[in-house]
Amino acid sequence: EVQLVESGGGLVQPGRSLKLSCAASGFTFSNYYMAWVRQAPKKGLEWVATISTSGSRTYYPDSVKGRFTISRDNAKSSLYLQMNSLKSEDTATYYCARLGNYGGMVPFDYWGQGVMVTVSS
Amino acid sequence: DIQMTQSPASLSASLEEIVTITCQASQDIGNWLAWYQQKPGKSPQLLIYDATSLADGVPSRFSGSRSGTQYSLKISRLQVEDIGSYYCQQAHSNPTFGGGTKLELK
Repeated sequence: EVQLVESGGGLVQPGRSLKLSCAASGFTFSNYYMAWVRQAPKKGLEWVATISTSGSRTYYPDSVKGRFTISRDNAKSSLYLQMNSLKSEDTATYYCARLGNYGGMVPFDYWGQGVMVTVSS
Repeated sequence: DIQMTQSPASLSASLEEIVTITCQASQDIGNWLAWYQQKPGKSPQLLIYDATSLADGVPSRFSGSRSGTQYSLKISRLQVEDIGSYYCQQAHSNPTFGGGTKLELK
């Protein structure tokens, strides 16, 4: 059974940093692209970052580029998100998600339970 | 960035009713579209990929279709367990989601 378990969330002041972790199990982690997706309270979904299987390629939207860094440790089947210079608008539930490969299409096929990050003074 | 315009934002329907949600892409994305269901207090779950293919374990009352750059999710006979929010997502370029549709029981 595929499982993704996030940790590391909490309350942080604006301008500070936080690192999220995601422990994966139930599949060969190193074979899959992975991503982070967030959801502000009562709002929709927003893609935050994607990382390739080896970690050599990363992708970000403009809203977090230069502030967030996605990384992975395939030996530990773990995904990370380093968040720097946090802003109030980064307040959200952060989901770890696997990118499945369906003959070319790469949807988010498994999601973690999410971890809440609150940026406030 | 590719914009996904989803409608309606909210929808109230009766049990056994047919429900349709649509997403309009701002440019051609081919069949690179997925639909997700998010039940209250839960994580999103993949329903449909490639615009029309049902994900594993998804009931057959769910279906997806495409007409040009407009995509639709149809629930043929609404069940109580279908209540929640639905999101489309394009995978043609860096992922973007539609604004979501909140589905409630009438």
